[in-house]
Amino acid sequence: DQQVKQNSPSLSVQEGRISILNCDYTNSMFDYFLWYKKYPAEGPTFLISISSIKDKNEDGRFTVFLNKSAKHLSLHIVPSQPGDSAVYFCAGNFNKFYFGSGTKLNVKP
Amino acid sequence: GAVVSQHPSWVICKSGTSVKIECRSLDFQATTMFWYRQFPKQSLMLMATSNEGSKATYEQGVEKDKFLINHASLTLSTLTVTSAHPEDSSFYICSALRGAVGGNQPQHFGDGTRLSIL
Repeated sequence: DQQVKQNSPSLSVQEGRISILNCDYTNSMFDYFLWYKKYPAEGPTFLISISSIKDKNEDGRFTVFLNKSAKHLSLHIVPSQPGDSAVYFCAGNFNKFYFGSGTKLNVKP
Repeated sequence: GAVVSQHPSWVICKSGTSVKIECRSLDFQATTMFWYRQFPKQSLMLMATSNEGSKATYEQGVEKDKFLINHASLTLSTLTVTSAHPEDSSFYICSALRGAVGGNQPQHFGDGTRLSIL
């Protein structure tokens, strides 16, 4: 039962352009959503979160949008940098964390 | 920022061996720690929630006698894979939570342990 889904396994973007990573969920009880970034051979690191009562949260180059009616959230990175190349996981939080399968972002110089 | 240390980072051992993995929160006390398993190109699969001073809560389908969890202090949780077999080969990751589950506090992850059973 996958409650959080990331349907795009990979994304390739040119440096300086916008990266948009998408995430869908099924559990309407999630009260927070989080994005994590993971480099190879390292654990995921927390990037940004959003409360279920909000529709946008911004932190520097990173913005997360939440569309509750569509049960969809997205992470925007602008401008994208080569160092952003990593696997990005979204997660929903309700009593425990449910993670998506990740999207591998490649930012080309 | 918060740091979680996981040790060892890579283990190769023979079938039938028991392997212990340690997860330490270095700069905060973690009442709750989590153990995940990740298969190639798949999501993090929660195995169990480790609560300091009490028994771990295992997810459905995870054998508690196979994967022993001990959370003896607020900064240390251990996962022991008992009598490991090749099908137990995987990437195991722990995380620690500074606050209560369900809030906006993120989990802080260790760097994972690559377990290879020959």
